[in-house]
Amino acid sequence: GQQLNQSPQSMFIQEGEDVSMNCTSSSIFNTWLWYKQDPGEGPVLLIALYKAGELTSNGRLTAQFGITRKDSFLNISASIPSDVGIYFCAGLQSIIQGAQKLVFGQGTRLTINP
Amino acid sequence: GAGVSQSPSNKVTEKGKDVELRCDPISGHTALYWYRQSLGQGLEFLIYFQGNSAPDKSGLPSDRFSAERTGGSVSTLTIQRTQQEDSAVYLCASSLGVGFYGYTFGSGTRLTVV
Repeated sequence: GQQLNQSPQSMFIQEGEDVSMNCTSSSIFNTWLWYKQDPGEGPVLLIALYKAGELTSNGRLTAQFGITRKDSFLNISASIPSDVGIYFCAGLQSIIQGAQKLVFGQGTRLTINP
Repeated sequence: GAGVSQSPSNKVTEKGKDVELRCDPISGHTALYWYRQSLGQGLEFLIYFQGNSAPDKSGLPSDRFSAERTGGSVSTLTIQRTQQEDSAVYLCASSLGVGFYGYTFGSGTRLTVV
C-alpha cells in the first residue's frame, strides 16, 4: 500500500508566488525523487536526492532530503504558468535481485490563477 | 524508439470484457515497470520486469491482472473480466537495467470501464 504522505493535495496560487510541498514516510528511503506530471503525460523527473540532509537545486526548484531519511520537501520559486501540473514525491525501495522500484506519494496538484 | 510508447492512449470497455494494454520501452532498456494511477491518487506499483521475467509482481491487485514481456522488449498488461474499479491510467516505465538509472515513463493508457 501507499507509504508516502504528500501535502498539500492541491494548491491554488498567483503567478510569481513561491510554492512549497512536502512528503513524509513511515519508512526510511535512501533515495528521494520529485516528479512532475503534465496533463495526459507520464511523470518526468525533476530532482533526485541521494544523501540525508542534501539540498539540491535545479533552476527555480529546490529540494531537500530530510536528515531522518523519512521526509523531503520541494520548493518552487517565482512560479510561472508552465509550473501547473501534478507534483509527486517518490522513494526508491529495494526489491529483489538488486532491483529497485519507486513508491509514490499521492501528488500535489498545482494551479496558477491568472 | 526515442521514448516509451503506450497503446492505446484511451480505451473504453464494457464491464466484464478483457483488455490488453501495450508498452514499447526504450530500446535497450532491460527493466520495465507497470504502474496504475487512479483519479486523484498517486502511482501504484503493479509489476516489474527484468528482461522477460517478472521478479516482482506483488502489486497486481487480483488474479484478473496479468502481464508478460517478450523478446526483452514489448510488454502487455492484460485485465480479464474488467470491473469499474479498474478504471484508471495505466503507466509503463522503462529503465536501463538493474539498479536505478532513472525511469522514463510513457504517456499512459486511460482505461474506462462502463
